[in-house]
Amino acid sequence: GENVEQHPSTLSVQEGDSAVIKCTYSDSASNYFPWYKQELGKGPQLIIDIRSNVGEKKDQRIAVTLNKTAKHFSLHITETQPEDSAVYFCAANAGGTSYGKLTFGQGTILTVHP
Amino acid sequence: GAGVSQSPSNKVTEKGKDVELRCDPISGHTALYWYRQSLGQGLEFLIYFQGNSAPDKSGLPSDRFSAERTGGSVSTLTIQRTQQEDSAVYLCASSFSQGSYNEQFFGPGTRLTVL
Repeated sequence: GENVEQHPSTLSVQEGDSAVIKCTYSDSASNYFPWYKQELGKGPQLIIDIRSNVGEKKDQRIAVTLNKTAKHFSLHITETQPEDSAVYFCAANAGGTSYGKLTFGQGTILTVHP
Repeated sequence: GAGVSQSPSNKVTEKGKDVELRCDPISGHTALYWYRQSLGQGLEFLIYFQGNSAPDKSGLPSDRFSAERTGGSVSTLTIQRTQQEDSAVYLCASSFSQGSYNEQFFGPGTRLTVL
């Protein structure tokens, strides 16, 4: 089955700096890669996603890149703000299935210092 | 509109007891997923429902775990004879339909503590 590795496990940046989180996946049939943000005491919330037919996607301060050959994808947050502090999870769908079963990375605790 | 709701928000139980966790998906969402999140870990897939049927139960850790969905809406996850290793946050998600590209909306979770 699919295996997703996520790094780093913790990331500390100063407000205004950029943050990058990286993930690798194992199943070449995976074709959908969402990123979730989880704040304390809440469920994960989708912040951006990318499909395998696209190499990069942007939404204001966040962007995701995908390298299918290397089987890795990354989340980029620019001009970080204290409210970006949260746990971020990458995920990949189960290749070969017709539904949205997701395999998640272990999560990255992002702390943005004012 | 209302999001995914889960109850109870917290559950403390004694080892060996049975527990039931409830999930109310977003109205009209036909797909429903259960995940488990252990402390400091990512989310682990448990089971998927399309309507009332469960085509994929592959993530259920043991036969002590079961789930059902009635009326294409509410789902209940039951853990029998709870063990300490069952302690985790149980998250439910729903999506408009099955299909890889449908966003999964998560509830706030139920934190289960087995003493």
